[in-house]
Amino acid sequence: QKEVEQDPGPLSVPEGAIVSLNCTYSNSAFQYFMWYRQYSRKGPELLMYTYSSGNKEDGRFTAQVDKSSKYISLFIRDSQPSDSATYLCAMGTGRRALTFGSGTRLQVQP
Amino acid sequence: ETGVTQTPRHLVMGMTNKKSLKCEQHLGHNAMYWYKQSAKKPLELMFVYSLEERVENNSVPSRFSPECPNSSHLFLHLHTLQPEDSALYLCASSQVGDTSNYGYTFGSGTRLTVV
Repeated sequence: QKEVEQDPGPLSVPEGAIVSLNCTYSNSAFQYFMWYRQYSRKGPELLMYTYSSGNKEDGRFTAQVDKSSKYISLFIRDSQPSDSATYLCAMGTGRRALTFGSGTRLQVQP
Repeated sequence: ETGVTQTPRHLVMGMTNKKSLKCEQHLGHNAMYWYKQSAKKPLELMFVYSLEERVENNSVPSRFSPECPNSSHLFLHLHTLQPEDSALYLCASSQVGDTSNYGYTFGSGTRLTVV
């Protein structure tokens, strides 16, 4: 079993839709949870960072962590064509390097 | 220069060549990383340097050799690579111990093709 599971997509939605991206994990020691966005031919850029459980909101983006279910989500409201990218979840224990999901490719159609 | 800079952006090399990838971070971070990114696979951690000391090496073949001369620079020396080593090689940095921001800052990567 992989430590982090993420549906690769692609996920195609119309402009303005609400997007839900998810990851599940198996290591209960993970405490730090992140979402990265990666545009084509670029490196990943940090989008959201959450410590432990709960929600965090930043503009159109909301990150949720449910440690009891070992499940994290990223919601994008009012999606735009510029949100088209690959979204990577990542998580860490604080004692070793981050573990990444394989990424979900998102396409927002104008 | 800001962030994390990687050179070259693209590299094509033969299996008998020797080349090096370079990474420089301008963020004052104390840890640097090499990751391999292949299509439809998770990022694979190759090497971690924290405070210039290699602290993690995920069973990477010896044809990859890292070097970290100081906290701002990281190299990946390549020799006698195989076609399956073709991938995007990403460098990242972070500030270990800063729990307010545990995330990494990545460079744009080097697209490596082995022929």
